[in-house]
Amino acid sequence: NAGVTQTPKFQVLKTGQSMTLQCAQDMNHEYMSWYRQDPGMGLRLIHYSVGAGITDQGEVPNGYNVSRSTTEDFPLRLLSAAPSQTSVYFCASRGYGYTFGSGTRLTVV
Amino acid sequence: GDSVTQMEGPVTLSEEAFLTINCTYTATGYPSLFWYVQYPGEGLQLLLKATKADDKGSNKGFEATYRKETTSFHLEKGSVQVSDSAVYFCALSVGSEKLVFGKGTKLTVNP
Repeated sequence: NAGVTQTPKFQVLKTGQSMTLQCAQDMNHEYMSWYRQDPGMGLRLIHYSVGAGITDQGEVPNGYNVSRSTTEDFPLRLLSAAPSQTSVYFCASRGYGYTFGSGTRLTVV
Repeated sequence: GDSVTQMEGPVTLSEEAFLTINCTYTATGYPSLFWYVQYPGEGLQLLLKATKADDKGSNKGFEATYRKETTSFHLEKGSVQVSDSAVYFCALSVGSEKLVFGKGTKLTVNP
């Protein structure tokens, strides 16, 4: 049972580039979410989804896009990366409790 | 809105010392309360939780009691070990699926 799988683990982007952070879960959880973790800020919710085809904004959604075409996958897209998006990104799914992925460390230069 | 305030630290203790990390919350409804732990280079793991007032969550020697009257959920451990060195996050969830986190407290335990 893999749980929540995030790829890549590390990424360096140039300002203005786009990329997609992948998140997949094999627990058949309806609820999935993306957080970013910054020093001294804790984890802040970016976007979340309560099921396939349904997404909504969290606390810090600007600059990020999501879609949910299947129960298993919930990718996070950065359309035009900015240095302010340098962070560690965590995907989580919720069944009885929350399960977090191991994170993607993104640096935008 | 809903929020969590926790002791920011960092906290440095000697092995076998007593640990307390304070956490207070503000919520519009009746939240469930959580403590998560993040070991270096890893994701978050649920440490313990409590879903109603006066519940005590416990795991791995850690404990926290849901105190509605003081809106608190302080984390305690009687005797910390070097392996407890990590970042600890207090969090809440009210009705909806969303978790709201505190800023985290870094704990370092020295031998």
